[in-house]
Amino acid sequence: GEDVEQSLFLSVREGDSSVINCTYTDSSSTYLYWYKQEPGAGLQLLTYIFSNMDMKQDQRLTVLLNKKDKHLSLRIADTQTGDSAIYFCAYEPMDSSYKLIFGSGTRLLVRP
Amino acid sequence: ETGVTQTPRHLVMGMTNKKSLKCEQHLGHNAMYWYKQSAKKPLELMFVYNFKEQTENNSVPSRFSPECPNSSHLFLHLHTLQPEDSALYLCASSQDSRGRVYEQYFGPGTRLTVT
Repeated sequence: GEDVEQSLFLSVREGDSSVINCTYTDSSSTYLYWYKQEPGAGLQLLTYIFSNMDMKQDQRLTVLLNKKDKHLSLRIADTQTGDSAIYFCAYEPMDSSYKLIFGSGTRLLVRP
Repeated sequence: ETGVTQTPRHLVMGMTNKKSLKCEQHLGHNAMYWYKQSAKKPLELMFVYNFKEQTENNSVPSRFSPECPNSSHLFLHLHTLQPEDSALYLCASSQDSRGRVYEQYFGPGTRLTVT
């Protein structure tokens, strides 16, 4: 199957860490991605991880991949109000033709 | 500014109208995509073009007709739409080669309302 599941909503206080979780079903994925969508805008690639990695850190962002459990997470350290957006995880199936499978998105609300 | 532009940004049309959405990318990419984003469903891939050839049609109704005259331009022709077609239509582009980080660059979308 090509299902990707995310929780719909997350609310955190400014300065706290945010953790957004994603589970997927296709174990043949090569790259896994996190995209961010701000209000009124398209999606923007935040970060990615190759499927043979467990962790990737990029400034305030940490991506953790548990391939055995097919679980991907995005941790945002010191969350700011500008981080309020919808976050999508996505992966590229091995047999795709330039196709990405997206989750339903997690809306992150950062409270002052 | 991602290098992918879409026009119009907002469109209201009746069910008997014919309209077109336009997407243009200035990134030198060879692959272009149409997605539908609605409140009810996650991001749905509609069509994929690679080097102007359609490589994916994700069971999209024929009232949506894509056109890709060159690698920089992508159109979505709309006719006899239904109210449930109201959504945000996103265009994206990417490089064509496999085995690389597969980054898609998205336009801001066209908010379509069918009355």
